[in-house]
Amino acid sequence: GNSVTQMEGPVTLSEEAFLTINCTYTATGYPSLFWYVQYPGEGLQLLLKATKADDKGSNKGFEATYRKETTSFHLEKGSVQVSDSAVYFCALYTGGFKTIFGAGTRLFVKA
Amino acid sequence: GAGVSQTPSNKVTEKGKYVELRCDPISGHTALYWYRQSLGQGPEFLIYFQGTGAADDSGLPNDRFFAVRPEGSVSTLKIQRTERGDSAVYLCASSGEADTQYFGPGTRLTVL
Repeated sequence: GNSVTQMEGPVTLSEEAFLTINCTYTATGYPSLFWYVQYPGEGLQLLLKATKADDKGSNKGFEATYRKETTSFHLEKGSVQVSDSAVYFCALYTGGFKTIFGAGTRLFVKA
Repeated sequence: GAGVSQTPSNKVTEKGKYVELRCDPISGHTALYWYRQSLGQGPEFLIYFQGTGAADDSGLPNDRFFAVRPEGSVSTLKIQRTERGDSAVYLCASSGEADTQYFGPGTRLTVL
């Protein structure tokens, strides 16, 4: 069945460090892939998405490239800020109106 | 414009009681979803509405859970005979596009 696996957290970084959060997926067909972010005390927000192989989604300095050959959609940011501290969820949508989420990765950024 | 809203933001109830959780989607969004998020986990799909009808309710854990959307806008998730294991954050999302969902802040349900 369809599933998403993302790296376990928490991830703790110093401000301005490089961030990678790994995400791999299993899916039939050609899913759309997403990263959602949940800031403390807030709801889930769409961060970025990619709808086909080799697409790169980007937003707020974050990027992720849809890699069909490795079934991956790793999230990266070149220089994190304290305000990026949140929980990040990788997700996929294969049609049928159901989105499958990973377990989430908590990021702490220290000043 | 206004986003998805959910009420109440917190609900504490006793085991065996009945609860209703409300979701107001983004105006004009025909698709509405309910998810459940347990501590340390990602959202888990419960049910999807397209308009007034439940197009997919395969995620509802058992027959104590029921959801309605009588006029194709506001939706209510109903849980009968609550159990301690029902404690979680219940998320609602709506969508105007097939693959992008916009989430509300959630209702935190605690069953004592």
